Amino acid sequence: GAVVSQHPSRVICKSGTSVKIECRSLDFQATTMFWYRQFPKQSLMLMATSNEGSKATYEQGVEKDKFLINHASLTLSTLTVTSAHPEDSSFYICSAVTGSPRQPQHFGDGTRLSIL
Amino acid sequence: GIQVEQSPPDLILQEGANSTLRCNFSDSVNNLQWFHQNPWGQLINLFYIPSGTKQNGRLSATTVATERYSLLYISSSQTTDSGVYFCAVGSGGSYIPTFGRGTSLIVHP
Repeated sequence: GAVVSQHPSRVICKSGTSVKIECRSLDFQATTMFWYRQFPKQSLMLMATSNEGSKATYEQGVEKDKFLINHASLTLSTLTVTSAHPEDSSFYICSAVTGSPRQPQHFGDGTRLSIL
Repeated sequence: GIQVEQSPPDLILQEGANSTLRCNFSDSVNNLQWFHQNPWGQLINLFYIPSGTKQNGRLSATTVATERYSLLYISSSQTTDSGVYFCAVGSGGSYIPTFGRGTSLIVHP
């Protein structure tokens, strides 16, 4: 159980394109989803916390107009990288939790974004 | 916020060797997980272990919450164990986890 599906797994597109990444909890309701960014050989950097039906909470330094997050239902959160540029190229990973903070996180498989 | 330190940062083993990875944290935790990130970037949940000891095959983990550390044991390592091992903790009433920098493990055949 506790499967999180992230799609697409890889995106290559031209500079200026907007890219949407989906994160779905397949067999549980996710009250909270997290979006992370990971640079090569580094740890995961939390970008934002997304709660169903409310605005996402962004970490310091993350541009909310650049990285649009929508959590419209208890099973789906989306991250849209607007007008992407080469510096936005990275590995993006989502995770989901349910219930209390004393529950484990479940991760998607990540999206490798390459902007040419 | 809570600080998480993992050691060693890098580890190179011969297949069949045993190893211990450590995660120290600076405050009491109510949530601790160990993950393995494989070479394709997938994060595999190994253990959810805010306290106590758990075992799963060749892997086991122990968290001593009162002394603010957790250990991940890998026995009879295999080349497929290569990757980065992360510890992530949560404290207080927050869902927000804090990740360590990870231990990069390479297992040679």
